Amino acid sequence: GIQVEQSPPDLILQEGANSTLRCNFSDSVNNLQWFHQNPWGQLINLFYIPSGTKQNGRLSATTVATERYSLLYISSSQTTDSGVYFCAVSQGAQKLVFGQGTRLTINP
Amino acid sequence: NAGVTQTPKFQVLKTGQSMTLQCAQDMNHEYMSWYRQDPGMGLRLIHYSVGAGITDQGEVPNGYNVSRSTTEDFPLRLLSAAPSQTSVYFCASSYGKPGNIQYFGAGTRLSVL
Repeated sequence: GIQVEQSPPDLILQEGANSTLRCNFSDSVNNLQWFHQNPWGQLINLFYIPSGTKQNGRLSATTVATERYSLLYISSSQTTDSGVYFCAVSQGAQKLVFGQGTRLTINP
Repeated sequence: NAGVTQTPKFQVLKTGQSMTLQCAQDMNHEYMSWYRQDPGMGLRLIHYSVGAGITDQGEVPNGYNVSRSTTEDFPLRLLSAAPSQTSVYFCASSYGKPGNIQYFGAGTRLSVL
């Protein structure tokens, strides 16, 4: 089945810094989503982005489907951005496959 | 609009006990699924359903049972709990196919002693 790799596994930054999280996938996909799991465990959908670029406030995401990767950008990080970020992909009507996540820690 | 509601939030079981984790959604979503999350392993799919009366196995179905008698509810049953089932369980739903935007419940933290 399709493999999803996220990097880096851990990232520690100071408040105000910018960050880039990467998601590589092993085969073509027609669905890609980014999620944030906050320190209390809640999973929130950030972007549905099978291709192209989207922005939502300080967060933006870009998926280059032909090269099989997606990037999540966080600008001017805040402590509330801490948590684990997951990328998940699917092919056709197939089930979502999750990466193992990037743990982001933003220190004040 | 409550979204996806999971109960209970926490549960402790003894080995061999059975229990049901409840999941309900009020968004009229066709697709519902159960995941387990273990440290360092991301989320793994246990079972899923594409509509009432239809269920199928995911990546790690052994030891779990599901049913989908209504669009709203998708309970997960542990038949005979084992310590290996200690995990955090998430229910999710989406409109239409599984690749659409997924909405997650708050999770159930289960410990099996």
